[in-house]
Amino acid sequence: GIQVEQSPPDLILQEGANSTLRCNFSDSVNNLQWFHQNPWGQLINLFYIPSGTKQNGRLSATTVATERYSLLYISSSQTTDSGVYFCAVESQAGTALIFGKGTTLSVSS
Amino acid sequence: EAEVAQSPRYKITEKSQAVAFWCDPISGHATLYWYRQILGQGPELLVQFQDESVVDDSQLPKDRFSAERLKGVDSTLKIQPAELGDSAMYLCASRRQGWTGELFFGEGSRLTVL
Repeated sequence: GIQVEQSPPDLILQEGANSTLRCNFSDSVNNLQWFHQNPWGQLINLFYIPSGTKQNGRLSATTVATERYSLLYISSSQTTDSGVYFCAVESQAGTALIFGKGTTLSVSS
Repeated sequence: EAEVAQSPRYKITEKSQAVAFWCDPISGHATLYWYRQILGQGPELLVQFQDESVVDDSQLPKDRFSAERLKGVDSTLKIQPAELGDSAMYLCASRRQGWTGELFFGEGSRLTVL
């Protein structure tokens, strides 16, 4: 099945810093989503982005489907950005999202 | 804004007891998923429904887990008997139709087996 690798596994930032999270995947995809898991465990949808670029406030994401990777950019990070960020993909042959292991982000004031 | 509803939010049970989780997807969403997330890992698919039919339950431990979606709307995931290794977050997700489009997750049900 499709493999999803996220990097870095952990990221520690000072408030106000920028960061880039990466997601590599091993096959062509129909669906790619980025999630933020809050401290209570809920997965919050950030982006549905099987290809192209999207922006939402301080967050933006780019997926280059032909090269099989996606990037999540966080600018001017805030302490509330802390948590685990997951990339999840659905292969063209699949019917469900396959998750990476996540990037744990810690933002301190 | 419509949400995926799950209950209970938290469940503590003793090993060998039965436990059940309930999920009500966003109205009109035909596809429903149950995922399990062990602490420190990403969610893993347990079972997928399209309307009332099971599409994929290859990762569901069928000796102790069962899932149903009798009328193609809400769904129940049951574990009997619970084992210590079942302690995890159980997440339900839904999407409108078919194999493409955005998935939306509920708040999850956190299970602790003592």
